[in-house]
Amino acid sequence: GENVEQHPSTLSVQEGDSAVIKCTYSDSASNYFPWYKQELGKGPQLIIDIRSNVGEKKDQRIAVTLNKTAKHFSLHITETQPEDSAVYFCAARPNNNNDMRFGAGTRLTVKP
Amino acid sequence: KAGVTQTPRYLIKTRGQQVTLSCSPISGHRSVSWYQQTPGQGLQFLFEYFSETQRNKGNFPGRFSGRQFSNSRSEMNVSTLELGDSALYLCASSFQGQQSEQFFGPGTRLTVL
Repeated sequence: GENVEQHPSTLSVQEGDSAVIKCTYSDSASNYFPWYKQELGKGPQLIIDIRSNVGEKKDQRIAVTLNKTAKHFSLHITETQPEDSAVYFCAARPNNNNDMRFGAGTRLTVKP
Repeated sequence: KAGVTQTPRYLIKTRGQQVTLSCSPISGHRSVSWYQQTPGQGLQFLFEYFSETQRNKGNFPGRFSGRQFSNSRSEMNVSTLELGDSALYLCASSFQGQQSEQFFGPGTRLTVL
């Protein structure tokens, strides 16, 4: 089955700096890669996703890149703000079922 | 559009008891997936229901079961509770499951004493 690894587990940046979180996956059949943000006491919130036929996707300050050959994908947050502080999860899902596999999470802290 | 709702939000049970959690998906969504979230194991897929049928199942014992009703609302049941079942149980809905974005509810925090 799919195995998703996520790094780093914690990340602390200064407000205005960029943050990068990286994930690798093992199953070449995976073709959908979402990123979720989870704040304390809430469920994960979908912030951006990418499918395997696309190499990069951007939405304002958030971007995701995918390298299918190397089986890794990354989340990039630019101009970070204190409200970006949360736990971020990457995930991978194969084409033939809805068994989403999640990374272990990255706790991002943005210091004002 | 209302989001995914889960009830109850918090639950305390004792070992050996059983529990039923409820999830109402976003209107129009037919797929409901359940996940268990713990500090040690992270987010783990339990099962997915689509049009009242279980479509996928994760690697959990038979004590974990679920069902979906004709209005797409779903329930999951855990029988013979163990201390290790203490977790945040999350429900996610999507339009058709595969190839669709999943939207999570706030979760039910289950504590087993």
